[in-house]
Amino acid sequence: ILNVEQSPQSLHVQEGDSTNFTCSFPSSNFYALHWYRWETAKSPEALFVMTLNGDEKKKGRISATLNTKEGYSYLYIKGSQPEDSATYLCAFNSGYSTLTFGKGTMLLVSP
Amino acid sequence: DGGITQSPKYLFRKEGQNVTLSCEQNLNHDAMYWYRQDPGQGLRLIYYSQIVNDFQKGDIAEGYSVSREKKESFPLTVTSAQKNPTAFYLCASSPQLAGNYNEQFFGPGTRLTVL
Repeated sequence: ILNVEQSPQSLHVQEGDSTNFTCSFPSSNFYALHWYRWETAKSPEALFVMTLNGDEKKKGRISATLNTKEGYSYLYIKGSQPEDSATYLCAFNSGYSTLTFGKGTMLLVSP
Repeated sequence: DGGITQSPKYLFRKEGQNVTLSCEQNLNHDAMYWYRQDPGQGLRLIYYSQIVNDFQKGDIAEGYSVSREKKESFPLTVTSAQKNPTAFYLCASSPQLAGNYNEQFFGPGTRLTVL
């Protein structure tokens, strides 16, 4: 079983703070890295699919970077808002069969 | 509306009873998946299916069974052999297996409680 680690496990910030969290994954057999946002009482939603070393993706105030050589990806949220409160999941894709998910980072943004 | 539906949202069963969780998608996706989530754990793969009448065991298949008789449907049966069935179950689908970057689309989940 592949090891995909996310840190921190949880995070509590104030509205307006910028924050970031990490996903680490095996640096071998890399095919893609997926980020999902999972809000309470909703289905997980895809944020980004990252495939190339050095990739940077952005969606509004959320961005992500990828380092496949060292096996990590960062997710950044600029100027956090209460609606950003969610669990952020990363998933490693070896291109072999299925996705391996990390345990997620639970973000709470207080007004 | 295109999407994935799971029913019911909450399910209660007595210990020793089999229970089937429904998952339907109208996205015309080939691949479908079942995950389980427990507190403090990531999503763990139970079973997945690439095409109709074919499915593969995931990481924690023991005590579960599935069928894929139709492209749009992938029901999961939690059998009495599953030692810790109380959990949150998520169904997902993707156009093809993950090997083509395809993101997975998730249903709303079913929370199963075994009393």
